[in-house]
Amino acid sequence: DAKTTQPTSMDCAEGRAANLPCNHSTISGNEYVYWYRQIHSQGPQYIIHGLKNNETNEMASLIITEDRKSSTLILPHATLRDTAVYYCIVRARIQGAQKLVFGQGTRLTINP
Amino acid sequence: DSGVTQTPKHLITATGQRVTLRCSPRSGDLSVYWYQQSLDQGLQFLIQYYNGEERAKGNILERFSAQQFPDLHSELNLSSLELGDSALYFCASSVAGYTGELFFGEGSRLTVL
Repeated sequence: DAKTTQPTSMDCAEGRAANLPCNHSTISGNEYVYWYRQIHSQGPQYIIHGLKNNETNEMASLIITEDRKSSTLILPHATLRDTAVYYCIVRARIQGAQKLVFGQGTRLTINP
Repeated sequence: DSGVTQTPKHLITATGQRVTLRCSPRSGDLSVYWYQQSLDQGLQFLIQYYNGEERAKGNILERFSAQQFPDLHSELNLSSLELGDSALYFCASSVAGYTGELFFGEGSRLTVL
């Protein structure tokens, strides 16, 4: 699985858009980009995933560069409840064993 | 609420003891995953089951074992407990064995004294 690089921490003002970058320069053609977050010590929460097209759901938007070597998770109107550790993971979606590997993630703090 | 249920939520025990953590996956999910999260480490993948069969193994200690039963619930057994086993243990489930969309439970916090 391709490795990812994320900033250790970020701050964002409440109500503003939070843009979380992820570098995955060694991503393979069949690997998807997944985003999860973990609020305090709760179980991680799936946010969104994509292959090469930009994706949007009720939680966030995912922008993947054309060369697929990096992506950005966008929380359009951040709230205090969005304070969490955000994990960017790349994983091939193939039949067989599934081992989602979490890195250190980005600790996002939303400030009032 | 992810739909994944883990019990117990908290457990305090002594070194050398054995405990069992239980996980009920979301209705319809066939795959179950176990992760360990200690204070100084991130989420560590332990093991995955799909429809009763082991599918993938991570850095799971030999003192730990797991199984998935015909009703698809899973148990993680931890034996000969050491202080370093104190951690949050998360269970997750997914519909299939290859999807990356995992739904996590709230975890079982194990404290070994």
